[in-house]
Amino acid sequence: EPEVTQTPSHQVTQMGQEVILRCVPISNHLYFYWYRQILGQKVEFLVSFYNNEISEKSEIFDDQFSVERPDGSNFTLKIRSTKLEDSAMYFCASSAPRDRVREETQYFGPGTRLLVL
Amino acid sequence: AQKITQTQPGMFVQEKEAVTLDCTYDTSDPSYGLFWYKQPSSGEMIFLIYQGSYDQQNATEGRYSLNFQKARKSANLVISASQLGDSAMYFCAMREGGADNQGGKLIFGQGTELSVKP
Repeated sequence: EPEVTQTPSHQVTQMGQEVILRCVPISNHLYFYWYRQILGQKVEFLVSFYNNEISEKSEIFDDQFSVERPDGSNFTLKIRSTKLEDSAMYFCASSAPRDRVREETQYFGPGTRLLVL
Repeated sequence: AQKITQTQPGMFVQEKEAVTLDCTYDTSDPSYGLFWYKQPSSGEMIFLIYQGSYDQQNATEGRYSLNFQKARKSANLVISASQLGDSAMYFCAMREGGADNQGGKLIFGQGTELSVKP
């Protein structure tokens, strides 16, 4: 069964460093998302992406964040200069198979646990 | 104001019994989607069940069913015949916005920690 994959599973970085989190969405999906979950808290929306551009972004998704679909399979989240409060689990998700575009379930990857020291 | 409310931070259930996890939502949009996800201790988010706002029947997926009461704005998850492997955090979520039901963000509740006792 197709699934969303994410790399790395864990990342430790120093404050101020840039990190790139990578995702491979389900291959025939059209919409892509990033969410984050600070330890012990609920999952929060960051950004949605469709047709090579951002559809919607939250207040969290400030100028330090960017997303890119550099090729036909990868979807990346870049944090330009990490802060301590960026420590969280970051989830990638995808939805809308090309042949069933009204199906709206978002399927999540296993997450990348980011720790900023 | 909370858009998704899960009032039960923790629940216990005996193995093989049924359990209901509560979820209420708040929206003025006539078109929305409701979801339940399971998050085991390993951290991944596993999709369980979906209910569209226009669906006439309650959704079912194996041992999971969604008790959708639109007028009361509730979407409770019922797990029948609980198993030890059901012990996890359960999140209710609502799709808000988007075009033709697509691309909208999911808004999550705070979650309910379910523990299944042998």
